[in-house]
Amino acid sequence: GIQVEQSPPDLILQEGANSTLRCNFSDSVNNLQWFHQNPWGQLINLFYIPSGTKQNGRLSATTVATERYSLLYISSSQTTDSGVYFCAVGGSQGNLIFGKGTKLSVKP
Amino acid sequence: DAGVTQSPTHLIKTRGQQVTLRCSPKSGHDTVSWYQQALGQGPQFIFQYYEEEERQRGNFPDRFSGHQFPNYSSELNVNALLLGDSALYLCASSPQDRGREQYFGPGTRLTVT
Repeated sequence: GIQVEQSPPDLILQEGANSTLRCNFSDSVNNLQWFHQNPWGQLINLFYIPSGTKQNGRLSATTVATERYSLLYISSSQTTDSGVYFCAVGGSQGNLIFGKGTKLSVKP
Repeated sequence: DAGVTQSPTHLIKTRGQQVTLRCSPKSGHDTVSWYQQALGQGPQFIFQYYEEEERQRGNFPDRFSGHQFPNYSSELNVNALLLGDSALYLCASSPQDRGREQYFGPGTRLTVT
């Protein structure tokens, strides 16, 4: 099956810093989503981005499908950005396959 | 526009018991998927329902079963609970086309003692 690897596993930032999270996947996919999981467990949709580049405020994402990776950029980080960021890819049958996540801690 | 809802929020059960979790999809969505998330891990796919039938299943034993109703809501049933079934159970909904964006509910946290 498709393998999803996220890096780094942990990231500690000072408020105001920028960061890049990476997601590598092992096969072609027809869906790629980035999520932020808050401390209560809710998965919040950040981007649906099987290819191309999107921006939403301080967050942006790029997926290069031909090279099987995606990047999530967080600029001017805030303490509320803390949590776990998941990349998930979809196979041909419609299920999502998640990476192990990147745990982000933003210090004031 | 109501998002995906799940009930109950928390549940405590004893080994060997059975449990039923419920999910209502986002308005306009007809496909429901269930995921299990153990502590410190990413969610793992259990199964997906479309048109009241199980369309795809992940690597979970038959103790895990489900149902989808005509209004697209869904139930997840787990029989003969094991301690290892303790986890956050997440429901996601999407439109029928495979590859479309999935939206998740707040989850049900199950503790088996």
